Amino acid sequence: GALVYQYPRRTICKSGTSMRMECQAVGFQATSVAWYRQSPQKTFELIALSTVNSAIKYEQNFTQEKFPISHPNLSFSSMTVLNAYLEDRGLYLCGAEADRGGNTLYFGEGSRLIVV
Amino acid sequence: QQKVQQSPESLSVPEGGMASLNCTSSDRNFQYFWWYRQHSGEGPKALMSIFSDGDKKEGRFTAHLNKASLHVSLHIRDSQPSDSALYFCAASEQGDTNAYKVIFGKGTHLHVLP
Repeated sequence: GALVYQYPRRTICKSGTSMRMECQAVGFQATSVAWYRQSPQKTFELIALSTVNSAIKYEQNFTQEKFPISHPNLSFSSMTVLNAYLEDRGLYLCGAEADRGGNTLYFGEGSRLIVV
Repeated sequence: QQKVQQSPESLSVPEGGMASLNCTSSDRNFQYFWWYRQHSGEGPKALMSIFSDGDKKEGRFTAHLNKASLHVSLHIRDSQPSDSALYFCAASEQGDTNAYKVIFGKGTHLHVLP
């Protein structure tokens, strides 16, 4: 089955510092990767949709300057939260779409960001 | 406005009972639906997708889509305590094509009481 690994599972960072998180697809080729943030209230916010060899599309309220994403190949994507503050805390989820088509997203367990 | 609305926010059913969850899209462009389930401490996992009018059954789970009203429901028969989780409805503008954004509802918290 399709597996997505995210690392790290949890990070505590000081306000104003940055956190990088990674997303690895295992057993399939991830042609598209969607990065979400799940708030403490469990609400999902789509941050950006990244497709290999295409421009990354950021949603309103999220910018490349704040959340730079790298998607260099069909099995790996990374995102950094720059200058993290309290409002950036949450569970960052990577959802990968398999190359066989369709929009079903396979999620990792998430990278939890705690800002102190 | 939230494009995908779910109800109820929370639902309790007895073990062996039927759980019914609802979801509506407020944007006619978003008419391809998924149900995801998230257990505490885990990432969400896709339960099933439904793109056509009518019912789709997978084991104890049945989804029903009415495209005219953009309403989709999920019915879980013979509910088990292990079904206790957050259930999310998700919608997209395209069902069979990659790289279209998928929007999630706020979730329904299902409690199955032993």
